[in-house]
Amino acid sequence: DTGVTQSPTHLIKTRGQQVTLRCSPISGHKSVSWYQQVLGQGPQFIFQYYEKEERGRGNFPDRFSARQFPNYSSELNVNALLLGDSALYLCASSLVVYSAATNEKLFFGSGTQLSVL
Amino acid sequence: DQQVKQNSPSLSVQEGRISILNCDYTNSMFDYFLWYKKYPAEGPTFLISISSIKDKNEDGRFTVFLNKSAKHLSLHIVPSQPGDSAVYFCAADGGSQGNLIFGKGTKLSVKP
Repeated sequence: DTGVTQSPTHLIKTRGQQVTLRCSPISGHKSVSWYQQVLGQGPQFIFQYYEKEERGRGNFPDRFSARQFPNYSSELNVNALLLGDSALYLCASSLVVYSAATNEKLFFGSGTQLSVL
Repeated sequence: DQQVKQNSPSLSVQEGRISILNCDYTNSMFDYFLWYKKYPAEGPTFLISISSIKDKNEDGRFTVFLNKSAKHLSLHIVPSQPGDSAVYFCAADGGSQGNLIFGKGTKLSVKP
């Protein structure tokens, strides 16, 4: 049984460009969350999607957007890249909407390392 | 402003001894906490959690203690093994958005 898979593993872009990161959840998982981890910091929540609908959004500018497809995979898009967008982008999946109340657990992928030059 | 703080960036422990990783939080509304472990080039993996209705939770060599009045939790690893060498993140459940609020992490090195 494969875990959460993310592609690409590494990416180099220049300022002002746009980037799309992809995530496939664990088979049977219907919720996908995205996190940004800047070097030296902990992961920071960007979005959660469940059944193709946005269920949560962190404190990120509108340049960040995401969507979830009928097969529960997800894409994270970042427009007008800034140097500060350089980070490890982590995708996590859960069976249903992640919530401590449901005792759900998040399973993380290995991430996409984005470098903006 | 950081709501979850891990003030020790690194910790070095001898194999077989106890590792104690600390975490403080500022928001008294947080009621569920988790620890994640991260190896290089891998995503974080869930380790152990604790609800605010408890003050202790054990799972094998791992025990998490919660002191609500001090807004402090700690992860104890006994005995420590070289394979425990990783970055440990403390996280708080953020509530209705389904988000986790992570600390900066503590890098644990367990020396043989």
